[in-house]
Amino acid sequence: GAVVSQHPSRVICKSGTSVKIECRSLDFQATTMFWYRQFPKQSLMLMATSNEGSKATYEQGVEKDKFLINHASLTLSTLTVTSAHPEDSSFYICSARERVGQPQHFGDGTRLSIL
Amino acid sequence: DAKTTQPNSMESNEEEPVHLPCNHSTISGTDYIHWYRQLPSQGPEYVIHGLTSNVNNRMASLAIAEDRKSSTLILHRATLRDAAVYYCILRDAVGGGSQGNLIFGKGTKLSVKP
Repeated sequence: GAVVSQHPSRVICKSGTSVKIECRSLDFQATTMFWYRQFPKQSLMLMATSNEGSKATYEQGVEKDKFLINHASLTLSTLTVTSAHPEDSSFYICSARERVGQPQHFGDGTRLSIL
Repeated sequence: DAKTTQPNSMESNEEEPVHLPCNHSTISGTDYIHWYRQLPSQGPEYVIHGLTSNVNNRMASLAIAEDRKSSTLILHRATLRDAAVYYCILRDAVGGGSQGNLIFGKGTKLSVKP
């Protein structure tokens, strides 16, 4: 079946550090990729949607300069949390979809802890 | 986005069937009903989806009411590995952009007892 690989699975770093998370679709071409954030005991919240070769569309309340998204190819999207602070600590999950109407496939998430 | 309503939690015994309900009274004609589940510390996993007819796959069955205002995910024999949060989500299959995205509610936390 379709697989989405997300890396790294866990990051612990100091406040002020920028962190890059990669999301790859391994056996299909993802025209659209999604980034979600999940705080403890809460549901997933959509942060942004990106189409290959286009600028990402951010959900209301998500700072685009804080969370940089690049979707340079049909198999790779990256999320960079710039100058991360403790309040950015969360579980970040990427998702990819081949085309509209197809199921979304999810990565295993990245647990980000900012000290 | 059309909203769904699910019980916060359910319990099941191992090896028994589980019926997870979902109400979606404001569903539109182009909304597909999607089910995902999330195991602890993992990303969500696709389970099944349907439009009008009941659907079966290796993981589960999806029973859709005739008026499409509710649906039920059926796990035929629950195992301990089925313990997860199950999300029922409506997704517009016609609209692109934000209308085609998955918006997660709180889901149903399923516990399976040995």
